Amino acid sequence: DQQVKQNSPSLSVQEGRISILNCDYTNSMFDYFLWYKKYPAEGPTFLISISSIKDKNEDGRFTVFLNKSAKHLSLHIVPSQPGDSAVYFCAASASVNDMRFGAGTRLTVKP
Amino acid sequence: NAGVMQNPRHLVRRRGQEARLRCSPMKGHSHVYWYRQLPEEGLKFMVYLQKENIIDESGMPKERFSAEFPKEGPSILRIQQVVRGDSAAYFCASSPSTGLPYNSPLHFGNGTRLTVT
Repeated sequence: DQQVKQNSPSLSVQEGRISILNCDYTNSMFDYFLWYKKYPAEGPTFLISISSIKDKNEDGRFTVFLNKSAKHLSLHIVPSQPGDSAVYFCAASASVNDMRFGAGTRLTVKP
Repeated sequence: NAGVMQNPRHLVRRRGQEARLRCSPMKGHSHVYWYRQLPEEGLKFMVYLQKENIIDESGMPKERFSAEFPKEGPSILRIQQVVRGDSAAYFCASSPSTGLPYNSPLHFGNGTRLTVT
């Protein structure tokens, strides 16, 4: 029962360009959405979040967009840097013990 | 600046043995969560604990798996009679005790990679 889906397992972009990572969810009870970043051999680290009362949240180079009607969110990274190369997990929750993660998208930023 | 500490980082067990995974939450955090990541899959919730209490274990397999978070010491995820399908990365996360839990991003440890041979 995959309630959070990241349909692109990988994404490759050129340094300086925009990276767009997508995430879809099915559970309309989700009201809080997060993106985590994971480097190899490390745990996921929190990157940015958005609550369902907003449609955009920006933090430096990172912006998360939420489209509730489409049950879709995306993470924009601009400009992309080689150090952004990692696996990005989308997560959604209605309560902390109901936080569901997507399968992740591996981003490669080429210099 | 101690984050969430998990040990061991790597654990190899033969089929039928027991695996014990330990997790010390961040200082000041009293909520602990265990997640499992199978190859090519996302993180799957297993169990949510507070000190001396299991709050939600709906993601735990019904048999062979147990978790505890005693008053003193780390949280332990215990897998008895391991099988090859238990091979995965097990991540522990913690969150503060104040505020709305689901608005507090989880802080993850670096995980324990369990390999069952």
